Amino acid sequence: AQKVTQAQTEISVVEKEDVTLDCVYETRDTTYYLFWYKQPPSGELVFLIRRNSFDEQNEISGRYSWNFQKSTSSFNFTITASQVVDSAVYFCALRDNTDKLIFGTGTRLQVFP
Amino acid sequence: DVKVTQSSRYLVKRTGEKVFLECVQDMDHENMFWYRQDPGLGLRLIYFSYDVKMKEKGDIPEGYSVSREKKERFSLILESASTNQTSMYLCAGKAGGPTDTQYFGPGTRLTVL
Repeated sequence: AQKVTQAQTEISVVEKEDVTLDCVYETRDTTYYLFWYKQPPSGELVFLIRRNSFDEQNEISGRYSWNFQKSTSSFNFTITASQVVDSAVYFCALRDNTDKLIFGTGTRLQVFP
Repeated sequence: DVKVTQSSRYLVKRTGEKVFLECVQDMDHENMFWYRQDPGLGLRLIYFSYDVKMKEKGDIPEGYSVSREKKERFSLILESASTNQTSMYLCAGKAGGPTDTQYFGPGTRLTVL
C-alpha cells in the first residue's frame, strides 16, 4: 500500500535556525513522484517541489533544499536560516502511476522571531 | 500563473441541507480533484475527474457526489450535509500526463451545524 509518514507533528524554532522536515514513504511502484507543499495560514496549498523516482539528485532553491534517498525511502526538506514567513504546515505527498496523491499528515512549523 | 478558484472561503450550513462547493480552473487542465483536510489526517481524496462528465471515486466518497459539465468547473455536492462533514475542502487541477503537478485552490472551510 502507498503511504507517506511525517512523524513530526509540530516543530518550533527561532529565526535563523536551520530546520529539517522528515518524510518517509512506502510504495511498491518503481516509478513514482514525490512532492512538497506549503500551507500558510491563509489555507492555500503552495507547490514547492516535485521529484521523480529516477532522479536522486538533491535540490537547492535559495534557503530550501531537499534530500531524496531511495535507500531509506525518504525525501527530507531543509530550510536554512529560517524566517517567520516560513511558518506554515508542510505536506509531503506521493503520486504513483495514476494521478492520485497520497499525503502525509503534515508538519506544522512555527518560526519565532 | 496557474489559477484555481473556489466559490467560497467560508461556508456555514445546517444539517440536512444540500451544499454545492464550486471549483474553477483557468489552466485548461483535464484533471480535477476534490480533497478534504482534517487535523491529524492530512488531505484525503474524495473524487476526481479526468474529463468532462467523467468522475472517479477517491478514498472517501461516501456522502458526496460531483459534477463536471464543463472542463473548467468541478463541483462537489453534499446531498444532505452532516456535522461530520465539517472540514476544509480543497480543489486541485492538473494537466494530463504523469509528470504534471496538482495546483490547489484557496480552500473552503465548511461548518455544518
